[in-house]
Amino acid sequence: KQEVTQIPAALSVPEGENLVLNCSFTDSAIYNLQWFRQDPGKGLTSLLLIQSSQREQTSGRLNASLDKSSGRSTLYIAASQPGDSATYLCAVRGGANSKLTFGKGITLSVRP
Amino acid sequence: NAGVMQNPRHLVRRRGQEARLRCSPMKGHSHVYWYRQLPEEGLKFMVYLQKENIIDESGMPKERFSAEFPKEGPSILRIQQVVRGDSAAYFCASSPPGTGVHEQYFGPGTRLTVT
Repeated sequence: KQEVTQIPAALSVPEGENLVLNCSFTDSAIYNLQWFRQDPGKGLTSLLLIQSSQREQTSGRLNASLDKSSGRSTLYIAASQPGDSATYLCAVRGGANSKLTFGKGITLSVRP
Repeated sequence: NAGVMQNPRHLVRRRGQEARLRCSPMKGHSHVYWYRQLPEEGLKFMVYLQKENIIDESGMPKERFSAEFPKEGPSILRIQQVVRGDSAAYFCASSPPGTGVHEQYFGPGTRLTVT
């Protein structure tokens, strides 16, 4: 059974800092991995999707990497801003059409 | 192309009532997934449907919960005789058919409160 872990549960950093959010999963046989952002009381916004054959994906100030063999992914946020404050969720997919298995998320607070 | 639509956005039910949550996938998407987010918990998979078929219901509670995705119209998640523990945010996601990236696109969710 796939399990996804995100540690720590919460993180507070000053504005401008570069930071790394970690995600680990127990079963390396994944199809893809997605990072999402969730604002309080809102839905999920997809940030980056990495296919199992890829090592990383980039979008603006965000970079996600995937090391399938070790069961790890990281989301790198450059030059953090207060607007980046949200909960970041990592989710993995076992097959092309199968469900997503989510971590509990990391709640990020960026202090002005 | 409108995104995934869910309604209602907020739903209040008394214990014992029925709750019906609706999800309209993105245009052209024939795969629908329902997830539940309990307070202080991560999102948990409930059920995966294609048009007129339930593909995977391994995350669905055995009693009181049912889901359908008819040939025409939205997907419906139905909770009978709701209890306080059903209070949660319910999210629907859709993805297109066929091969490809198979990214799931999420709706804004329905927040169910059972009083």
